Amino acid sequence: RKEVEQDPGPFNVPEGATVAFNCTYSNSASQSFFWYRQDCRKEPKLLMSVYSSGNEDGRFTAQLNRASQYISLLIRDSKLSDSATYLCVVMEYGNKLVFGAGTILRVKS
Amino acid sequence: DGGITQSPKYLFRKEGQNVTLSCEQNLNHDAMYWYRQDPGQGLRLIYYSQIVNDFQKGDIAEGYSVSREKKESFPLTVTSAQKNPTAFYLCASSDYTGTGGPSTEAFFGQGTRLTVV
Repeated sequence: RKEVEQDPGPFNVPEGATVAFNCTYSNSASQSFFWYRQDCRKEPKLLMSVYSSGNEDGRFTAQLNRASQYISLLIRDSKLSDSATYLCVVMEYGNKLVFGAGTILRVKS
Repeated sequence: DGGITQSPKYLFRKEGQNVTLSCEQNLNHDAMYWYRQDPGQGLRLIYYSQIVNDFQKGDIAEGYSVSREKKESFPLTVTSAQKNPTAFYLCASSDYTGTGGPSTEAFFGQGTRLTVV
């Protein structure tokens, strides 16, 4: 079983749509959780950290369920500029930073 | 400006040669990482280092070596034992918070594209 699993997509959605990505992780001792965004042929950049209480940043909402070892990202009112690969990232005990394979989002006009 | 610098941006290697990829950070971060990314794939962890003079193997360490003699530097050597080295290599760093503490985000360099010719 992979340490971090994501649905690879692609998710093809119209502008203005709401889209949700899910991620599961296998190591129950994992400490920190993040969503990163990667554009084609670029380095990943932090989208948002994920906290146990859930957190929101504008159109983006992240949720963490430690009991189910599950992380989610919700994007509301999708924009063309949201098209990218979204990476679920888990910091395991001992600072091992593990990435999921990524979910591709394509927003179309 | 603080950040991570990887060099070179593009690197061409002949079969059988060792090459070293540079990664330097001035963020004063303790933890540093090397990842490999193949086209259409996610990031796979090669090596990581929590502190100077210490490093651990990641999931795909075979054919690679690293050193961490200085806090700001974490070079990666791709040896001739790596059979398929053509890939995009990314270096990252983050704060080390020790046991039980939350870790801050990881910052990435712009990557090195290695091609075997």
